[in-house]
Amino acid sequence: EVQLVESGGGLVQPGGSLRLSCAASGFTFSSYAMYWVRQAPGKGLESVSAIRSNGGSTYYVNSVKGRFTISRDNSKNTLYLQMGSLRAEDMAVYYCARVARNYWFFDLWGRGTLVTVSS
Amino acid sequence: QSALTQPASVSGSPGQSITISCSGTSSDVADYNYVSWYQQHPGKAPKLMIYDVSNRPSGVSNRFSGSKSDNTASLTISGLQAEDEADYYCSSYTSGSTLFGGGTKVTVL
Repeated sequence: EVQLVESGGGLVQPGGSLRLSCAASGFTFSSYAMYWVRQAPGKGLESVSAIRSNGGSTYYVNSVKGRFTISRDNSKNTLYLQMGSLRAEDMAVYYCARVARNYWFFDLWGRGTLVTVSS
Repeated sequence: QSALTQPASVSGSPGQSITISCSGTSSDVADYNYVSWYQQHPGKAPKLMIYDVSNRPSGVSNRFSGSKSDNTASLTISGLQAEDEADYYCSSYTSGSTLFGGGTKVTVL
């Protein structure tokens, strides 16, 4: 089955760190660019970070630059998001999403993992 | 990196047609034909409904259609049904990344 499964979310204190993982299956993971998209409670979607299929180029939204690091291990079919210096405004459901090949839209989404930042 | 602009809510009666607008700038919607639309039901992941302005993925009802004029894209839902009640998000490519709109809640009266 073609799917993305996120894990690693949970409760963390402000200033803390967390690493999210996204396990891909059912398709050739190494052929696709990937994104992390988040959704704060009751709010809209926001592109957080992206990485090319070979990991050679990355993107970060301004609000997470210097605090978050996206990476991937194509041998393990897994996408990661290392999050540090977490703030209350980082609290959200984090989705990993696949970018359709040779296009600019997301054709596959995971179910998301909730990150709660609170003392 | 400002979000695209969507109306907060749109409503319609069953069988009617509604249109959701998505306004951007010359750096995103106006400059690229890479606008997509996603439907999200509560507690669920987004689902692709339209890509590249007006293309429907396999399996999406032909009641959903998309268009674009200058810096504004639109999603039209015709023959509104109860199952269409959801949040809808537009998205556009912009200089190596992707912007989303703030989302529109569609209510079926």
